[in-house]
Amino acid sequence: NAGVTQTPKFRILKIGQSMTLQCTQDMNHNYMYWYRQDPGMGLKLIYYSVGAGITDKGEVPNGYNVSRSTTEDFPLRLELAAPSQTSVYFCASSPTELPSYEQYFGPGTRLTVT
Amino acid sequence: GDSVTQMEGPVTLSEEAFLTINCTYTATGYPSLFWYVQYPGEGLQLLLKATKADDKGSNKGFEATYRKETTSFHLEKGSVQVSDSAVYFCALCLYGGATNKLIFGTGTLLAVQP
Repeated sequence: NAGVTQTPKFRILKIGQSMTLQCTQDMNHNYMYWYRQDPGMGLKLIYYSVGAGITDKGEVPNGYNVSRSTTEDFPLRLELAAPSQTSVYFCASSPTELPSYEQYFGPGTRLTVT
Repeated sequence: GDSVTQMEGPVTLSEEAFLTINCTYTATGYPSLFWYVQYPGEGLQLLLKATKADDKGSNKGFEATYRKETTSFHLEKGSVQVSDSAVYFCALCLYGGATNKLIFGTGTLLAVQP
């Protein structure tokens, strides 16, 4: 049972480059989320999705884009990477049934922008 | 706004010592409260939860009681093990709208020495 998988595990980008962080879940969850975790800080919500074709901004969306074409996949796109985007990125999903408070997290992607 | 404050780490304990990690919250409504744990190199996992005042969440020897009068949800364990070494996040969830968003504290690193 894979749960939430993320690729890549690590990545180094140069300033101005772009990349896509992949996230896939096999639990048929409708809700999916992207967070970033900076050192000494809690997780900040970047974007979320309540179902295929529906996405919305979280707390810190600037510099990122998402899409949700299927229930399983929720990729996060970084355009024109900046050093401020150096962070650990977590994808999560949760079931539709309320209270859907339990979120299932992937192992994270550690991104460095230099 | 809604927020979670938890004690700064690292917390260093010897095996079999008693653990307390403090967590307080600010919320405009009636949140549910959670403790998530992040083991080294892994994503976050739900450790325990409480959905209303005076509820006690428990799992794997950890406990936390939802105290509305003090707006607190302190994590305790009577006898820690080396395998409990991890980062612990307190979080709240306010239900509303199309999704349920988690607000995390900054995390507390626990290091247990043999």
